[in-house]
Amino acid sequence: DQQVKQNSPSLSVQEGRISILNCDYTNSMFDYFLWYKKYPAEGPTFLISISSIKDKNEDGRFTVFLNKSAKHLSLHIVPSQPGDSAVYFCAASLNNDMRFGAGTRLTVKP
Amino acid sequence: GAGVSQTPSNKVTEKGKYVELRCDPISGHTALYWYRQSLGQGPEFLIYFQGTGAADDSGLPNDRFFAVRPEGSVSTLKIQRTERGDSAVYLCASSPTGGSYGYTFGSGTRLTVV
Repeated sequence: DQQVKQNSPSLSVQEGRISILNCDYTNSMFDYFLWYKKYPAEGPTFLISISSIKDKNEDGRFTVFLNKSAKHLSLHIVPSQPGDSAVYFCAASLNNDMRFGAGTRLTVKP
Repeated sequence: GAGVSQTPSNKVTEKGKYVELRCDPISGHTALYWYRQSLGQGPEFLIYFQGTGAADDSGLPNDRFFAVRPEGSVSTLKIQRTERGDSAVYLCASSPTGGSYGYTFGSGTRLTVV
């Protein structure tokens, strides 16, 4: 039962443009959403999060949008940089139960 | 230590053997989590410790998997009678008190069962 889905396994964008990564979830009880970034041979590192009571959270080049009615969240990276190339995981949680999507591999081309 | 340390980084074992994977969390973090990541998948929850006790072990796939955290710091994930399907990266994370934020992941142990 996959409660968090990232339907795009990969995304390629040009340096300087916007990257938009999408995530859908099925459990309306989730109350906290997070994005993690993962480089090869490393563990996921926390990037940005949003509480279910908000619809937007911004941190520098990274903005997460939450649409609770659609059970959808997205991560916007602008401007994208080659160093942003990594696998991005969306996660949704309730208490200590955190579920991850399968990830989207972002490639930012110089 | 400065981060979450997992050892070994790589483990190759024969089918049917027993393995132990170690996680050394950030000092002072009371919550510790084990996840498993198979190829092309996101991390899948296995077990969560709060202190020495397993607060939630609902993600352990079967009784061949067991984890301990006897002194509330280092944790060991134990897999008996390994199967080829157990091959994955096993990730450990810790957080100061639990909850969904403040997770710090280790680099993982890549387990290959041949």
